[in-house]
Amino acid sequence: EPEVTQTPSHQVTQMGQEVILRCVPISNHLYFYWYRQILGQKVEFLVSFYNNEISEKSEIFDDQFSVERPDGSNFTLKIRSTKLEDSAMYFCASIQGSSYNEQFFGPGTRLTVL
Amino acid sequence: AQTVTQSQPEMSVQEAETVTLSCTYDTSESDYYLFWYKQPPSRQMILVIRQEAYKQQNATENRFSVNFQKAAKSFSLKISDSQLGDAAMYFCAYFTGANSKLTFGKGITLSVRP
Repeated sequence: EPEVTQTPSHQVTQMGQEVILRCVPISNHLYFYWYRQILGQKVEFLVSFYNNEISEKSEIFDDQFSVERPDGSNFTLKIRSTKLEDSAMYFCASIQGSSYNEQFFGPGTRLTVL
Repeated sequence: AQTVTQSQPEMSVQEAETVTLSCTYDTSESDYYLFWYKQPPSRQMILVIRQEAYKQQNATENRFSVNFQKAAKSFSLKISDSQLGDAAMYFCAYFTGANSKLTFGKGITLSVRP
């Protein structure tokens, strides 16, 4: 069964460093998303991406964040200068965009900012 | 803006018993989807059940069923014959379709007593 994959599973970084979180969505999916979940809290939407551009972004997704689909398979989230409060679980999700509207989630990347 | 409310932070159920998790939402849309996701300690987001708002029939997946009350904007999850493996965080989520975001509730922690 096709699945969304994410790498790395756990990333530890120093405050102020740049991190890139990688996702490989399901191959025939057209819409891509990043969500984050601070430990013990609810899952929050960051950004959606379609047709090689951002469709919607939340207030969390400020200038420190960017997304890219560099090669038609990977979908990346970059945080330019990490803060302590960026420590969270980051989930990538994708959806085909047809009538079956289920978002398939990756296993997540746990980001720890020290 | 759409909101999803899960007012119970925690619930406990005896193994083999039935438990109902509550969820309400607010929207002005007439066409949308509702989901229940399970998040075990691994933090993977696992889809439990989905409901299309245009369907009057309540969705059922094995031991999991929903009580969807569109007029009341209520979407509760019933777990029958609870098993130890059902212990997890459960999130209710709302979605209007491709190119829109999932909006999650705060989640409820379900524990299952042996």
